Amino acid sequence: KQEVTQIPAALSVPEGENLVLNCSFTDSAIYNLQWFRQDPGKGLTSLLLIQSSQREQTSGRLNASLDKSSGRSTLYIAASQPGDSATYLCAGGDSNYQLIWGAGTKLIIKP
Amino acid sequence: DGGITQSPKYLFRKEGQNVTLSCEQNLNHDAMYWYRQDPGQGLRLIYYSQIVNDFQKGDIAEGYSVSREKKESFPLTVTSAQKNPTAFYLCASSISRGPYEQYFGPGTRLTVT
Repeated sequence: KQEVTQIPAALSVPEGENLVLNCSFTDSAIYNLQWFRQDPGKGLTSLLLIQSSQREQTSGRLNASLDKSSGRSTLYIAASQPGDSATYLCAGGDSNYQLIWGAGTKLIIKP
Repeated sequence: DGGITQSPKYLFRKEGQNVTLSCEQNLNHDAMYWYRQDPGQGLRLIYYSQIVNDFQKGDIAEGYSVSREKKESFPLTVTSAQKNPTAFYLCASSISRGPYEQYFGPGTRLTVT
């Protein structure tokens, strides 16, 4: 059964740094990988969706990659800003199209 | 503006009472989902619906019930049989069941005492 892990659980970096968030999964038969952002007490905002046939997707300062052979996805945030502070969640779609979720990485950008 | 609305934002209930959480979408999506979020854990799927008048159990359906009488609406009832109902509940939708992007509502925080 697919398992999704996000390490570290929390990350604090100074403003302006480029950073990478990690998401690993156990089953390479993944249909897609979606990255979300969640602000405290709020719902989820979809950031990027990578289909299994794709290697990466970009939106503004965000770039997400997918490497099925290594069971890894990364979310790269360029030139981080305090407004990027949030919890970032990844979820992989399994063969039943069900999303399997990581527990998230809480990101704090220090001004 | 298209989107998903959930109400209420906060809900307080006494143990033993059933409670219904509302979820409405105007995205014209066929598929809708209910998730539960607990601190330090990934989201867990409670129920999903692929089309009107159809719904399927997710991983943690025990103690919950749903209906899908209209395309726009997918209410979730938390029954007294749910042993640990206090949690953050999130509703989502996608254009169809499949490898499609899911869009989320703002969530309902349920506290049962």
